[in-house]
Amino acid sequence: GQQLNQSPQSMFIQEGEDVSMNCTSSSIFNTWLWYKQDPGEGPVLLIALYKAGELTSNGRLTAQFGITRKDSFLNISASIPSDVGIYFCAGPTSGTYKYIFGTGTRLKVLA
Amino acid sequence: SAVISQKPSRDICQRGTSLTIQCQVDSQVTMMFWYRQQPGQSLTLIATANQGSEATYESGFVIDKFPISRPNLTFSTLTVSNMSPEDSSIYLCSVRTGLNSNQPQHFGDGTRLSIL
Repeated sequence: GQQLNQSPQSMFIQEGEDVSMNCTSSSIFNTWLWYKQDPGEGPVLLIALYKAGELTSNGRLTAQFGITRKDSFLNISASIPSDVGIYFCAGPTSGTYKYIFGTGTRLKVLA
Repeated sequence: SAVISQKPSRDICQRGTSLTIQCQVDSQVTMMFWYRQQPGQSLTLIATANQGSEATYESGFVIDKFPISRPNLTFSTLTVSNMSPEDSSIYLCSVRTGLNSNQPQHFGDGTRLSIL
């Protein structure tokens, strides 16, 4: 079945650094969603992408819908301690309304 | 976005018992889903809760183990039946508010379930 692989699996960065992570699929997606999950909470939607090549920002976060439609990227600029959490990508399985979730990138920020 | 409330937020249960988790939304939504998140893992879709009819289950999940109800457009329940330690997970309710199948989904804070 379809899988979404996220890279890196985890990362430790210094406060103030920029962060880049990506999500790749074995098949084409027409929607990409990025979520963040804080400990003890449900995932919160950060950015939604609907068109190949689309670049969308939400504050210090920027996400891009890959041209091949098989990948997406999330960048965080000038990281702060509250950026700590797990970041998930998600997209609809082909021909259905159901979303599958990526393997997650665990981010830790060192002050 | 819709406010999604789940109850209970956490529970510790004995092996062999059942627990019903409630999901209440503050507005009518088109679609409701139940996900499982095992420790340190990603989210896996259990089923789509259909209003007034049987839920649509994903491969590996069956109605006898995870009965689901959705009596109206704002409420759903998931029961975890005959629990075993392998059922220890976070169970998450998720909703979609738009009619477009590509509308984003929003999540409740989950129910953290531990089985002894």
